[in-house]
Amino acid sequence: EAQVTQNPRYLITVTGKKLTVTCSQNMNHEYMSWYRQDPGLGLRQIYYSMNVEVTDKGDVPEGYKVSRKEKRNFPLILESPSPNQTSLYFCASSVWDRAGEQYFGPGTRLTVT
Amino acid sequence: QKEVEQNSGPLSVPEGAIASLNCTYSDRGSQSFFWYRQYSGKSPELIMFIYSNGDKEDGRFTAQLNKASQYVSLLIRDSQPSDSATYLCAVIGSSNTGKLIFGQGTTLQVKP
Repeated sequence: EAQVTQNPRYLITVTGKKLTVTCSQNMNHEYMSWYRQDPGLGLRQIYYSMNVEVTDKGDVPEGYKVSRKEKRNFPLILESPSPNQTSLYFCASSVWDRAGEQYFGPGTRLTVT
Repeated sequence: QKEVEQNSGPLSVPEGAIASLNCTYSDRGSQSFFWYRQYSGKSPELIMFIYSNGDKEDGRFTAQLNKASQYVSLLIRDSQPSDSATYLCAVIGSSNTGKLIFGQGTTLQVKP
């Protein structure tokens, strides 16, 4: 089954404790992206990657890091999480030249206390 | 001015009616336009995309694009209660083909 998977699905952590949210896709997609979704602010792009070893900032990259060492994986790293990073996070992927036609993962709900 | 704007709603229509969802965008050079549907507690899923001026139909859904007015809309004919969801308009702008910009979404309620 074609899918984007994220882990963990739910996470409660404390301020400053480094964490990684994994994202993996099995569709051989070149393009992958991370979003956060907040009430009243909608979906905002954090980082995206057009291919392996190629990443670029979205609209809200501050406080996040990403890496793209393999085509299928695109982890999101919060090196020192803060409460304002409490949000619902989505990973998505697509074919490289159809970046708007994205398949979304199930989401990760993160709470930072 | 927000790059992609939608009325947050809720938009309430009776079952069987036509639901009309609207979206405006600020980047005149935008080329690609998308509609995603998001059920409560779920992830967004792509339902329509349109690249050229005019209408594009897929089943009960019609996407309409007017680049001169910087306006894109989604019509849902014969609305069903199962269409109740938040509809997200998204645009890829002229300067960056990798950056998908979403509106805040319009919540649609279809009442039986």
